[in-house]
Amino acid sequence: DGGITQSPKYLFRKEGQNVTLSCEQNLNHDAMYWYRQDPGQGLRLIYYSQIVNDFQKGDIAEGYSVSREKKESFPLTVTSAQKNPTAFYLCASRPRGRTGTYEQYFGPGTRLTVT
Amino acid sequence: LAKTTQPISMDSYEGQEVNITCSHNNIATNDYITWYQQFPSQGPRFIIQGYKTKVTNEVASLFIPADRKSSTLSLPRVSLSDTAVYYCLVAPYSSASKIIFGSGTRLSIRP
Repeated sequence: DGGITQSPKYLFRKEGQNVTLSCEQNLNHDAMYWYRQDPGQGLRLIYYSQIVNDFQKGDIAEGYSVSREKKESFPLTVTSAQKNPTAFYLCASRPRGRTGTYEQYFGPGTRLTVT
Repeated sequence: LAKTTQPISMDSYEGQEVNITCSHNNIATNDYITWYQQFPSQGPRFIIQGYKTKVTNEVASLFIPADRKSSTLSLPRVSLSDTAVYYCLVAPYSSASKIIFGSGTRLSIRP
């Protein structure tokens, strides 16, 4: 059963702690993305990766870090430097090349609450 | 990257046809237009994608005029379950690209 998994669905952390959000896909997609969504707002791009061992900053990368050591995995670390980390985090992947419709596939999201 | 502009919100009634228009004045030659639907606390879901003219699938139609500076998502005979946020994006047909979401259109369907 192909898809994108994000874990956990809900995550609670104390202020000042780093936390890593998991994103795994078995769709054999080259590109992967992390977005942040605040209540009532659209999605904002944090980081994206086109291939293994390469990634680029999105519009709001400050306070976040990523790695792409495997094609299937693109974990996001929310560091203590992120001023307002409480949000809904969405991971997505996208195939490379012309394979029909060229849409992003999204995971179920992780809701992070930092107090 | 092409910026998109959509209405913040729209209201309609069950059984009606709903048209949501998106403006993308600086769309590039190699950009495709894609629409997504998002329900609360879920990831967006692909609805439809097109380059020019008209595209239709089992859930929606996408109308793109010749100048491609706008597009219209048409939802036929909406139901309460179509209440969601709808996003219009433009992005190149390549994995080597940023994909930026705007604020979307919050569609509310009433009985």
